[in-house]
Amino acid sequence: DTGVSQDPRHKITKRGQNVTFRCDPISEHNRLYWYRQTLGQGPEFLTYFQNEAQLEKSRLLSDRFSAERPKGSFSTLEIQRTEQGDSAMYLCASSFGPIDTQYFGPGTRLTVL
Amino acid sequence: AQKVTQAQTEISVVEKEDVTLDCVYETRDTTYYLFWYKQPPSGELVFLIRRNSFDEQNEISGRYSWNFQKSTSSFNFTITASQVVDSAVYFCALSERANQGGKLIFGQGTELSVKP
Repeated sequence: DTGVSQDPRHKITKRGQNVTFRCDPISEHNRLYWYRQTLGQGPEFLTYFQNEAQLEKSRLLSDRFSAERPKGSFSTLEIQRTEQGDSAMYLCASSFGPIDTQYFGPGTRLTVL
Repeated sequence: AQKVTQAQTEISVVEKEDVTLDCVYETRDTTYYLFWYKQPPSGELVFLIRRNSFDEQNEISGRYSWNFQKSTSSFNFTITASQVVDSAVYFCALSERANQGGKLIFGQGTELSVKP
């Protein structure tokens, strides 16, 4: 079991560019979550998947954000037309089910210039 | 509404001191789950403990112990004989059964600095 992995670990982009992050969950986990963490704050929920179905999206997830989990395995989070306010750590977590412990990946730190 | 409050933003102790990190939560659900995670400078959130609302037994794991009190809606975390490696940001989190998504609601975190 290799744990949750995320790629890239760091991304620097210019305002207006599109970026895409990838998350590979623990292989037998059905649930996959995305969170965003800004400096000095706790993580905030963005969205989650049960297998390939996206079942909930936070109001934090504006229409510039889109997430997919096409085959119920890895997931991607895309941000279009990035803004400076998008600068944050994007964390992915996975679990067996809704009441099971979530295990987190190392995160992708996004900096928008 | 659900909420987690960690009133201590930063704590600094000297190695071998005991330290307690406070966590107070709010929920209307009768079934819920509480967690503590550690976030070292590398950034990855490391799971420490999970406790469900029906289990108020305190737990001890090595130098770590947790005190869950439903009467005061608190789930405090104590590190005994702290070590420099304990330096990190610690987060308390809540998940409600009524919220079938299982999303975690985090506190703002407490940054613990253990000095040699």
